[in-house]
Amino acid sequence: VTLLEQNPRWRLVPRGQAVNLRCILKNSQYPWMSWYQQDLQKQLQWLFTLRSPGDKEVKSLPGADYLATRVTDTELRLQVANMSQGRTLYCTCSAGTGGNTGQLYFGEGSKLTVL
Amino acid sequence: QQKVQQSPESLSVPEGGMASLNCTSSDRNFQYFWWYRQHSGEGPKALMSIFSDGDKKEGRFTAHLNKASLHVSLHIRDSQPSDSALYFCAASGTSSGQKLVFGQGTILKVYL
Repeated sequence: VTLLEQNPRWRLVPRGQAVNLRCILKNSQYPWMSWYQQDLQKQLQWLFTLRSPGDKEVKSLPGADYLATRVTDTELRLQVANMSQGRTLYCTCSAGTGGNTGQLYFGEGSKLTVL
Repeated sequence: QQKVQQSPESLSVPEGGMASLNCTSSDRNFQYFWWYRQHSGEGPKALMSIFSDGDKKEGRFTAHLNKASLHVSLHIRDSQPSDSALYFCAASGTSSGQKLVFGQGTILKVYL
């Protein structure tokens, strides 16, 4: 059974438009949810970890602006805005039990391409 | 500067051969090390963890950690074509278990 469901899996983003990504957790035993970005060179970079419903965080990185929201115990959202023209980016969510020794489980990722 | 460096960038081994992947960290706060594997079109999946100096063996996979030199390695014996994937070394500190710092990855190809 897949622990994390991400949607959409792929989106063409018109320049200047923001896109909203969802990550749904299927097992509440792994409540620590995070977003990672992965560039075309496959480099993974941590963005946010949000534990509780209502938690929000923002971040600006070269090439995109991010707003993450923990909507419910089972839903994490990511709004990606101001992506650079021609850029392709993958956003992947993860879930874990918290602490340092548990593994993280990753979703299959959402691919964003700016027109 | 990349805090977790992996080598080589890519590696080709014959089926049944041994694959050796290396990882060095530049941050002494990192205490927990992981190897993740990513097949095309999928998310990364944890292969194994190593937190103490020495070797840790799980089936065909053996990880080695030297905390003094912050060096981690992964050895895959009897490599199979299904082992062909992108392998990541990842590290975290004592207060940031969900925030993994990943290396840039090693592409492994196992050929027949």
